Formats: sequence, structure tokens, C-alpha cells
Amino acid sequence: GQQVMQIPQYQHVQEGEDFTTYCNSSTTLSNIQWYKQRPGGHPVFLIQLVKSGEVKKQKRLTFQFGEAKKNSSLHITATQTTDVGTYFCAGRGNTPLVFGKGTRLSVIA
Amino acid sequence: GAVVSQHPSWVICKSGTSVKIECRSLDFQATTMFWYRQFPKQSLMLMATSNEGSKATYEQGVEKDKFLINHASLTLSTLTVTSAHPEDSSFYICSAGTSGIYNEQFFGPGTRLTVL
Repeated sequence: GQQVMQIPQYQHVQEGEDFTTYCNSSTTLSNIQWYKQRPGGHPVFLIQLVKSGEVKKQKRLTFQFGEAKKNSSLHITATQTTDVGTYFCAGRGNTPLVFGKGTRLSVIA
Repeated sequence: GAVVSQHPSWVICKSGTSVKIECRSLDFQATTMFWYRQFPKQSLMLMATSNEGSKATYEQGVEKDKFLINHASLTLSTLTVTSAHPEDSSFYICSAGTSGIYNEQFFGPGTRLTVL
């Protein structure tokens, strides 16, 4: 079945440093979504990418969808303590959303 | 964004009892709801997809007789954990899908189940 792999599993950064998490699917995706889950909270939708090679920005967050629609990345510029949480990618092929294992981001002030 | 509620937010029960968890979409109609299970510090594992008025579709390895799902209306889906055991202790999260252009899912706040 479809698998979505996400790396790294953990990332500790100093406040102000950049952060990137990568997502790879075993199959071509129709779209990919990104979610953020704060400690103790539930996943919150961030964005959806649909087009091959698409790049979208939300303030300090930059999302990319690969040309082959099998990989994606989330990059945060100049992290802040409010960025702490687990970032999940979720890919949709011919199935319901399949979530990656997530990347847990810690930001040291 | 759309709001999805879950009740109860946490529950503690004795082994062998059944627990019902409700998932409601408060301000939109959800033809499809999803039930996930999340162990501590792990990802969301899809348990089943629930469609209004029809039987749920369970993922491989999920016992449909143990995790009963009912999607009686466009705003309510329920998950009943029957004859719960300690290994069923987990965080259960529902989400509701939209048919809009973004086709995103809105997650409920989750229910933490502890089985003693």
C-alpha cells in the first residue's frame, strides 16, 4: 500500500535557525497536505499542495511539492518558540490521507 | 476553519466495558468522517473511514467488531470501543472531510482513553 516517509524524526534548533522537514511517498500523489500538532493538541491543517513543482509560502513557512508529485518539503525560516510542535505531511493518492510519522521540532530560546 | 467537536475529551474505564466516543461537525455537513488512533509521540494511524448512511470502511488490521462505527447523520459519527482492554488505551481522533476545493480534513480535539 501507499507509504509516506518523513524525515527527520526529531529536530532541535536554536531560536532563529532554519528548519526543514522532508516527505517522500512510495506512489505518485494527487495532493499533499501539511499539518501541525502542538504538544497535547490535535493536528491543525496548514496547507495543501496540488500542482507539480508548486511552492507556497505562509509568512516564514515555505512548502514545496516535487515535480514528480512524490515528495514535499516544509521549510521554516528563523524559527521561533511558537513553532514548537510536530509537523506531519499527509499524502493522498487513491486512498484516504496517509500520514507521515511526523517531525518533532524543538526550539531552544 | 470548520469546527469538529469530540466527546468525551478523556475517559477512564474498567477492562471489559464499552466506551462510546462522539464526533460532531458543528458548522458544516461531513459526508465522510475518519477515525484515527495515535499512540504517544507517534503518527496518526487511520482506523476507518465513515460515510454517512453506509458501513464504515476499516483499515487492514482493525477489528470492525471491536471498533464499532456509526455515521447516522451528516454531522455525527460515533466510535464504540467494545470490551475494552488496557492495550486499547490510546488517543482517538476523528476528522471530518469537506468536499471543497481544498478537500482538507478538520480534526476534533481527540479523546484520551485509559483502560484499567
